[in-house]
Amino acid sequence: AQKVTQAQTEISVVEKEDVTLDCVYETRDTTYYLFWYKQPPSGELVFLIRRNSFDEQNEISGRYSWNFQKSTSSFNFTITASQVVDSAVYFCALSEAFGGATNKLIFGTGTLLAVQP
Amino acid sequence: NAGVMQNPRHLVRRRGQEARLRCSPMKGHSHVYWYRQLPEEGLKFMVYLQKENIIDESGMPKERFSAEFPKEGPSILRIQQVVRGDSAAYFCASSPRTVNTGELFFGEGSRLTVL
Repeated sequence: AQKVTQAQTEISVVEKEDVTLDCVYETRDTTYYLFWYKQPPSGELVFLIRRNSFDEQNEISGRYSWNFQKSTSSFNFTITASQVVDSAVYFCALSEAFGGATNKLIFGTGTLLAVQP
Repeated sequence: NAGVMQNPRHLVRRRGQEARLRCSPMKGHSHVYWYRQLPEEGLKFMVYLQKENIIDESGMPKERFSAEFPKEGPSILRIQQVVRGDSAAYFCASSPRTVNTGELFFGEGSRLTVL
């Protein structure tokens, strides 16, 4: 069965520190997608990244970077030089194939990141 | 370009009343998903619909919950005889007609509070 594990429930850092959020997944599918979403205190879900299972290249977007390693079934997210505005709950998610025509997502339980000024 | 629109954003109901949550997908999207986020938890899949069809309702509670996506109009998630445990944020997401692209767009959620 598909499963996403975010072992870190809460992380607290001081502004300008780097922080890595861990995500480990389980799937039997050969084709799947991995996602990260941010949920700020206002409650909406903000899409951050989608990664295809065939693309193991790491990605960097500004202060954000993602490390996808199929060998360890991990898709970790690093924020460099964290800022107070990064404080949010971050969710990792996995798409589950269903008859080849779905974007059903399996979410982890989330990591609450608190960035202190 | 309007995103996924959900209303109401906040809904308060007393135990035993009905709650109706609406979701208008992005223009051109014919696939709708409903997720529920209980307090302090991640999002859990409830149901996947295409126009006029329920494709996968494996995450829907067996009783009191129903969903539809009519030919015209928004998708509706209906909760009858609400109980306190139904208090949660309900998120709708939509995707285009393509298959398994990973393109999923979420609304801002509807927060149901049951008194």
